[in-house]
Amino acid sequence: GAGVSQSPSNKVTEKGKDVELRCDPISGHTALYWYRQSLGQGLEFLIYFQGNSAPDKSGLPSDRFSAERTGGSVSTLTIQRTQQEDSAVYLCASSIQGLSNQPQHFGDGTRLSIL
Amino acid sequence: AQTVTQSQPEMSVQEAETVTLSCTYDTSESDYYLFWYKQPPSRQMILVIRQEAYKQQNATENRFSVNFQKAAKSFSLKISDSQLGDAAMYFCAYRSGKDDKIIFGKGTRLHILP
Repeated sequence: GAGVSQSPSNKVTEKGKDVELRCDPISGHTALYWYRQSLGQGLEFLIYFQGNSAPDKSGLPSDRFSAERTGGSVSTLTIQRTQQEDSAVYLCASSIQGLSNQPQHFGDGTRLSIL
Repeated sequence: AQTVTQSQPEMSVQEAETVTLSCTYDTSESDYYLFWYKQPPSRQMILVIRQEAYKQQNATENRFSVNFQKAAKSFSLKISDSQLGDAAMYFCAYRSGKDDKIIFGKGTRLHILP
């Protein structure tokens, strides 16, 4: 498909476990964003990758959260020692860097549930 | 830092009527872009409309239009002839023309009453 792909679509895990969430952006999109959306809430910015520049990590809520983007394409968001408050939908979006009038294209998100 | 504020957590409108969702933002930048996204229960984020800050003319997309007041830093969304399919969360978003960072408001949940 041509859209942003996220996997898994749902993840249930026990408190204290580590989780990895994956995002495949649209081919050619050099900007990639991660957001967190708690139940019924807005989108909380987490991290932003822009091409080869250092990522903007200003939204990561704690050092348990990290993300990487390999080869300028696929990104992985890792949450270590998960806590119940980490339960949320994690949305990934990509866009064409440098064309700010272009919208982001979103994946369907990963619903993370911490037991 | 830029901020986006949506002061209406929930709104309701009768089917076929018109509703306006408000959004204000704060920025010191002159080059930026504004967007409204719709998120139905399916969770998929859908672009509704966009506005370039350098354009004075308000953007329009079919039944959706914006009232962009740059000096007041206001960017409201008007939905005309509301339809049941318009029921969703609506998010206002700000995109910096400097670094492409995008910030969202907390959203407004819109209910359409039959």
